[in-house]
Amino acid sequence: DTAVSQTPKYLVTQMGNDKSIKCEQNLGHDTMYWYKQDSKKFLKIMFSYNNKELIINETVPNRFSPKSPDKAHLNLHINSLELGDSAVYFCASGPGRRTSWNEKLFFGSGTQLSVL
Amino acid sequence: GENVEQHPSTLSVQEGDSAVIKCTYSDSASNYFPWYKQELGKGPQLIIDIRSNVGEKKDQRIAVTLNKTAKHFSLHITETQPEDSAVYFCAASINSNYQLIWGAGTKLIIKP
Repeated sequence: DTAVSQTPKYLVTQMGNDKSIKCEQNLGHDTMYWYKQDSKKFLKIMFSYNNKELIINETVPNRFSPKSPDKAHLNLHINSLELGDSAVYFCASGPGRRTSWNEKLFFGSGTQLSVL
Repeated sequence: GENVEQHPSTLSVQEGDSAVIKCTYSDSASNYFPWYKQELGKGPQLIIDIRSNVGEKKDQRIAVTLNKTAKHFSLHITETQPEDSAVYFCAASINSNYQLIWGAGTKLIIKP
């Protein structure tokens, strides 16, 4: 069983399109994250949800909208895609406040988004 | 806010030799320092972490050391093997905060 699964693994699309990436975790964690990794491998946090509540919302264009229907799912919707959105997007989950914030994060295998 | 710097950006070592990756942090309140390994085509995976109440932690061939006074911590890999080739990330966080601050990553290449 995959702990954190995200789909699709690859996403190739045209500029201006709208796309979604889905993420699910089966670890019973309270907190989920979206990270963006650019071509230089730098990891940048975008959003974090704790029990469906948005707790981290970094400086990200409002074309990016996270949605958490329940604490096991955190989806990312991107409107009006731009060339600069091309990157690998990682979903992650962690225990959150229940233990302490500083515990092991589990990452999905990533979604490679290519905007043409 | 916290800032984490990681060096080197690329490290090439001969198989069997040791590798050391260093990170410095700026906020003296940081008290948790994990290291993640990212293999090609995969997400980062925690390999070892250390809290500010200890100075060193070992797990087989990997170890992490922490110098709170100097605000730096290091990852040591001994007897390197080809499967150690990956990108390694350090991070730091404060217990009352919910956010990890990440280093820029080090690409470790093990030469056969």
